[in-house]
Amino acid sequence: DQQVKQNSPSLSVQEGRISILNCDYTNSMFDYFLWYKKYPAEGPTFLISISSIKDKNEDGRFTVFLNKSAKHLSLHIVPSQPGDSAVYFCAATISGNTPLVFGKGTRLSVIA
Amino acid sequence: DAGVIQSPRHEVTEMGQEVTLRCKPISGHDYLFWYRQTMMRGLELLIYFNNNVPIDDSGMPEDRFSAKMPNASFSTLKIQPSEPRDSAVYFCASSLRLLGYGYTFGSGTRLTVV
Repeated sequence: DQQVKQNSPSLSVQEGRISILNCDYTNSMFDYFLWYKKYPAEGPTFLISISSIKDKNEDGRFTVFLNKSAKHLSLHIVPSQPGDSAVYFCAATISGNTPLVFGKGTRLSVIA
Repeated sequence: DAGVIQSPRHEVTEMGQEVTLRCKPISGHDYLFWYRQTMMRGLELLIYFNNNVPIDDSGMPEDRFSAKMPNASFSTLKIQPSEPRDSAVYFCASSLRLLGYGYTFGSGTRLTVV
């Protein structure tokens, strides 16, 4: 049973527009969430994270929003660039004391 | 630092054969993880080690899978005998701590069992 769900396998966005990637989780014990980015033939790399004590964290063009009551988080990329085309994985952990649990990933394509 | 090094990058083997995947973590990292990526299940944790000791292997799908970490600089994941459903990309990652932003992944081994 998937504890971290990314229900959209793929997303296509025009360059310059906003990309919104969604993630839901079922385990209410999760309190730290991360997004990883993966290019073809490479391993995933850390992108941005958020603790459950916050509802927003921003890093340049990337913002992660957390809605604890809905057990939902989203990654916003503004503006989207062709170099953002990759697979994005949502991940979660319990107080940083458990290994990361990942979702299935969402493939983002940014079209020039 | 060369990062996490996995070998081979690609492996094609026949059903029933033994397969060994190798990983060299980043020096000084205390944690090592083996993940498997498939379309159906995404990135799933198979096993992880702390200071060379296996901590949780509940993600290992069957007894056909085994993993070892004989020292701090080397780990193996073995499948014996291999089956077509084992075809996937296998990633090794290492970290100073369990907390996720510190994970460094290798480039993965793409395994195809025919």
